[in-house]
Amino acid sequence: GENVEQHPSTLSVQEGDSAVIKCTYSDSASNYFPWYKQELGKGPQLIIDIRSNVGEKKDQRIAVTLNKTAKHFSLHITETQPEDSAVYFCAASKYRGGDDMRFGAGTRLTVKP
Amino acid sequence: DGGITQSPKYLFRKEGQNVTLSCEQNLNHDAMYWYRQDPGQGLRLIYYSQIVNDFQKGDIAEGYSVSREKKESFPLTVTSAQKNPTAFYLCASSEGFQYQETQYFGPGTRLLVL
Repeated sequence: GENVEQHPSTLSVQEGDSAVIKCTYSDSASNYFPWYKQELGKGPQLIIDIRSNVGEKKDQRIAVTLNKTAKHFSLHITETQPEDSAVYFCAASKYRGGDDMRFGAGTRLTVKP
Repeated sequence: DGGITQSPKYLFRKEGQNVTLSCEQNLNHDAMYWYRQDPGQGLRLIYYSQIVNDFQKGDIAEGYSVSREKKESFPLTVTSAQKNPTAFYLCASSEGFQYQETQYFGPGTRLLVL
């Protein structure tokens, strides 16, 4: 089955700097890649997603890039703010239903003011 | 105000006791999911349901049971057979297998063993 690896496990940046989180996946048939943000004691919230027919997607300060050949995708956050501090999860799936969705172990991002 | 609700926020279980976690959604989604989250690990799928009166085991179903009698409700029972139940439990839903895959999560229930 699908295996998703996420790096780094923790990331600390200064306010205003950029943050990059990377994920690799094992199943070349995977075609949907969401990113979730989870604040302490809350459920994950979808922040951006990308499908395999697109190489890059941007939404304000957040962008995701996908390299299908290398089977990795990355989350980029620019001009980081303290409220960006949270745990970020990547995921990958290939079936439209999503019951095969597999998640990375998470990255704890800390933005220092 | 549409969304997914889970209750209770915290739940305590005694040895040999079964406990039930509630999950309700008013998004009119067909598919619902239960995940378990442990520290330092990604979410692991316990059970999922594509439609009312149907559900399937996920990767770690042992010691858990579910029911799907109504479209908006998907309760999870943690049985006494689950030897390590302490975790954060997340319910999610999506439009359905024939639609987009995006899953939306509830706020979670933290289960602790006394």
